[in-house]
Amino acid sequence: AQKITQTQPGMFVQEKEAVTLDCTYDTSDQSYGLFWYKQPSSGEMIFLIYQGSYDEQNATEGRYSLNFQKARKSANLVISASQLGDSAMYFCAMRERASGGSYIPTFGRGTSLIVHP
Amino acid sequence: ETGVTQTPRHLVMGMTNKKSLKCEQHLGHNAMYWYKQSAKKPLELMFVYNFKEQTENNSVPSRFSPECPNSSHLFLHLHTLQPEDSALYLCASSPLDKNTEAFFGQGTRLTVV
Repeated sequence: AQKITQTQPGMFVQEKEAVTLDCTYDTSDQSYGLFWYKQPSSGEMIFLIYQGSYDEQNATEGRYSLNFQKARKSANLVISASQLGDSAMYFCAMRERASGGSYIPTFGRGTSLIVHP
Repeated sequence: ETGVTQTPRHLVMGMTNKKSLKCEQHLGHNAMYWYKQSAKKPLELMFVYNFKEQTENNSVPSRFSPECPNSSHLFLHLHTLQPEDSALYLCASSPLDKNTEAFFGQGTRLTVV
């Protein structure tokens, strides 16, 4: 069963506007962490922001913020004041326990964001 | 720069060749991972190593052979690959704590001809 769901294959936003990228997750753990990564065309996965399940405040990192709604199991990424350099793939991820006992980063399918000038 | 270095960045190999991908980190992480990213597909976990021991093998064909000689280095040995193995291969490392992020290398873009 898919643990991380990103329902938006592609999103477009005007430069300087805000955009929300959706992510829902499924876990039976009480303690877990949610992550967002950016992957530009060069291929590298760049860590953006982390939200812990027990964190009461929504995480923020500069222009990135995470809209965490625990009861709905959603962790949407909000990018404010979009810039042309924000055009990239964005992945939501969670570390979940695998059969061998390791906590493995598991990723959604990603959302392609294009910022228009 | 994430602290995880992958070499080579690009590789073209024939189906009968043998090559190796290298990943190196000096972040003090004890977990290392290989992922495969094909076009229009989600990231696929291939292998996981904790403290040099392989803990996960995600039903990967034997033509991919990982090696982890120490906690800082991870290799992926390739032999008799198929064209469908062409993809971006990403290495990552992390502390074992489940609430910490993984750090990724820049990937090796592999083309099998």
